[in-house]
Amino acid sequence: DTEVTQTPKHLVMGMTNKKSLKCEQHMGHRAMYWYKQKAKKPPELMFVYSYEKLSINESVPSRFSPECPNSSLLNLHLHALQPEDSALYLCASSQDRWGPYGYTFGSGTRLTVV
Amino acid sequence: SQKIEQNSEALNIQEGKTATLTCNYTNYSPAYLQWYRQDPGRGPVFLLLIRENEKEKRKERLKVTFDTTLKQSLFHITASQPADSATYLCALMNRDDKIIFGKGTRLHILP
Repeated sequence: DTEVTQTPKHLVMGMTNKKSLKCEQHMGHRAMYWYKQKAKKPPELMFVYSYEKLSINESVPSRFSPECPNSSLLNLHLHALQPEDSALYLCASSQDRWGPYGYTFGSGTRLTVV
Repeated sequence: SQKIEQNSEALNIQEGKTATLTCNYTNYSPAYLQWYRQDPGRGPVFLLLIRENEKEKRKERLKVTFDTTLKQSLFHITASQPADSATYLCALMNRDDKIIFGKGTRLHILP
């Protein structure tokens, strides 16, 4: 298995809702990432889990909450989002956080906040 | 501040010709440089990685060069095909693990 699987593919949520995005990989990669990508912009790093330890991009608001139940799974919990949070949310993994390894990205979750 | 620039927002190339995309950076000392392909509404797909001490890397019709003096990478697709049409992103990673992506170049291969 050489894929990163993200669910759901599309999500529409209200500003008072709580939802979760899920990501899974079975390549034995030890680092997993959440990225946010707006249209015609590069991916922006939100969170990194490396050996199940979290690193945070300090600019990410607390309404986004990551969780790493084990080395194969990564969740992103969403609560009280704003319309400007609408974007493509990408999960990625790499063999290790440090070193010459490319990232394997999932297809993303297209999130719309209404 | 650290900055990555990809030569143009969009590039049109005739089928069969070589497409050359440019990635320039400032105020950054990358240990590795990566190139990704991204199709609309999809996640980026890793293509090639080149280390700071490597000048050139090849994979099938793809070639990447890396010049740390010029602070520039060139990405070439030879014998281009309409199926090569996509957005191509360069990404830099330094020794502290910080990775930054360029905005990408939308490549259109015209039949």
